Amino acid sequence: NAGVTQTPKFQVLKTGQSMTLQCAQDMNHEYMSWYRQDPGMGLRLIHYSVGAGITDQGEVPNGYNVSRSTTEDFPLRLLSAAPSQTSVYFCASSYSGKGAQTTEAFFGQGTRLTVV
Amino acid sequence: KQEVTQIPAALSVPEGENLVLNCSFTDSAIYNLQWFRQDPGKGLTSLLLIQSSQREQTSGRLNASLDKSSGRSTLYIAASQPGDSATYLCAVKGSNYQLIWGAGTKLIIKP
Repeated sequence: NAGVTQTPKFQVLKTGQSMTLQCAQDMNHEYMSWYRQDPGMGLRLIHYSVGAGITDQGEVPNGYNVSRSTTEDFPLRLLSAAPSQTSVYFCASSYSGKGAQTTEAFFGQGTRLTVV
Repeated sequence: KQEVTQIPAALSVPEGENLVLNCSFTDSAIYNLQWFRQDPGKGLTSLLLIQSSQREQTSGRLNASLDKSSGRSTLYIAASQPGDSATYLCAVKGSNYQLIWGAGTKLIIKP
């Protein structure tokens, strides 16, 4: 019962490098999202998707791109990494059909990213 | 704009005490509220989910309450143990299905 799987768990990048954080879920959830967690702050929404082919920006989208070609996968791309993007990144999924307002969100184990 | 606040930011208590963690939110139009636990360097573990129509939920030594009208939720931990030491986060789900998070309460249970 995999749930939400994020890879990698840890990553160190040099400023200006690009990379993709992977997120996959096996619960057939339409709604998927990416958050970043910084010390002393709540998780902040980067991007989200309500289904394959549909993505939208959250609270802090700058410097990140997403795409949603399948229901299962929702990768997050850093185009040109900056030290300000050093953070812990979480991917989440949840059911978004009828009755979705009552459902809980499921989270991956996180990716710790350091940009030097 | 929904804002979620958790006070205190940190709490240290002796083992065995009962304790209450607080979560407040500014917009009462929520669908549900979820409490999470996060151990250092680890991911998020869902503890309790309270629907907007519910007043409380219980799981073992944990009890979460919700008062939508006052914009408050509490997480009650009975007979605390050193293994309860972690950061506790609350998140509310609003009308756009997005989660808005508090910054968390770091709990230390002293043996």
